[in-house]
Amino acid sequence: DARVTQTPRHKVTEMGQEVTMRCQPILGHNTVFWYRQTMMQGLELLAYFRNRAPLDDSGMPKDRFSAEMPDATLATLKIQPSEPRDSAVYFCASGRTGPDGNTIYFGEGSWLTVV
Amino acid sequence: KQEVTQIPAALSVPEGENLVLNCSFTDSAIYNLQWFRQDPGKGLTSLLLIQSSQREQTSGRLNASLDKSSGRSTLYIAASQPGDSATYLCASGEVAAGNKLTFGGGTRVLVKP
Repeated sequence: DARVTQTPRHKVTEMGQEVTMRCQPILGHNTVFWYRQTMMQGLELLAYFRNRAPLDDSGMPKDRFSAEMPDATLATLKIQPSEPRDSAVYFCASGRTGPDGNTIYFGEGSWLTVV
Repeated sequence: KQEVTQIPAALSVPEGENLVLNCSFTDSAIYNLQWFRQDPGKGLTSLLLIQSSQREQTSGRLNASLDKSSGRSTLYIAASQPGDSATYLCASGEVAAGNKLTFGGGTRVLVKP
């Protein structure tokens, strides 16, 4: 079964520390998304890539967050420095563009707690 | 800007009853509609995708309809089971933006044995 793989699954870190989350999209998918889920805000889009190029990162706090795709098999989301309000579940998702859109598949999430 | 709403936020039904979950969206332009299931502490599992040119999709006990003129989608789950207890999320996908999804707040479903 092809799946989106995310690491780490769980992370507890102290405020001010750097956090890097990694995502391996499904082989052959050319769009990659980063979402954040909190109880208050629900699911919010942070950034997305098409063919490794960043298309929209307007949902991401630029002063501390950065997202990259070093190659087609790896997407990263970095927070530096981390703050308690960044505590959330971060989901990576991937899909394949087509004339009428295609199913988007989500990873299991990276559960981040910043203390 | 697309806005997606799911009402009610929570729903409780006895086992065997049919479930009807509602999703509304503000912009019916070139969007598809995807339904997901999320179990506590887990990721999102895709249930059904309705392409923008389609009216409905079916998979087993699940049927989802899309009415772009009214800005609504409905997910029907026939003969509900306790295992159907989960949060169900709908998302509008912007096809021109690589299927970028805008999510509703979800409906938390409890099916009582």
